Amino acid sequence: AQSVAQPEDQVNVAEGNPLTVKCTYSVSGNPYLFWYVQYPNRGLQFLLKYITGDNLVKGSYGFEAEFNKSQTSFHLKKPSALVSDSALYFCAVRGGSGGYQKVTFGIGTKLQVIP
Amino acid sequence: NAGVTQTPKFRILKIGQSMTLQCAQDMNHNYMYWYRQDPGMGLKLIYYSVGAGITDKGEVPNGYNVSRSTTEDFPLRLELAAPSQTSVYFCASVDRGPEAFFGQGTRLTVV
Repeated sequence: AQSVAQPEDQVNVAEGNPLTVKCTYSVSGNPYLFWYVQYPNRGLQFLLKYITGDNLVKGSYGFEAEFNKSQTSFHLKKPSALVSDSALYFCAVRGGSGGYQKVTFGIGTKLQVIP
Repeated sequence: NAGVTQTPKFRILKIGQSMTLQCAQDMNHNYMYWYRQDPGMGLKLIYYSVGAGITDKGEVPNGYNVSRSTTEDFPLRLELAAPSQTSVYFCASVDRGPEAFFGQGTRLTVV
């Protein structure tokens, strides 16, 4: 069965500092990996995805994520955090073998950027 | 192009009442999903559909029903509301992206 682990319930970072939100996954075959962000009382918004190719993928709002196949990780990063980045972040994985594939979400990591 | 639209945004139900959560998308996506979000639990898949007329159970289908008579609409039905169904419900659709597009959510309280 596929799974996603987000080991940190909350990440605190000072404004202007780099941030990392961790994600590891387990899936059969080649994965599709995603990061979503959720602001209070809103739905999830797509940030970025990895399907194939370059291990470093760039997404919206200056975020990027690094795919590491050997460590089965897909950590979300940003070089300089903004207060407005404070939100709930979800990592998700989907099997990439075509047809319907279930998407599994992590439990979410709350990012708090401190002014 | 409105994306994924969910109604209502908020609802309070009494135990044993029934209701339908509406979900519509205007992107002609084949795949649609219903999730519930509970604190510290992430998103759990309730039901999904791969096209009009085709639905299947997800991880937590008990107490819910769905139908998919058109590509655009994917309503979720609660027949006998229970306090355990207090949650935030999200509808999502997927094309070949493969990223999902989410609605704004319905916050349901069962008292």
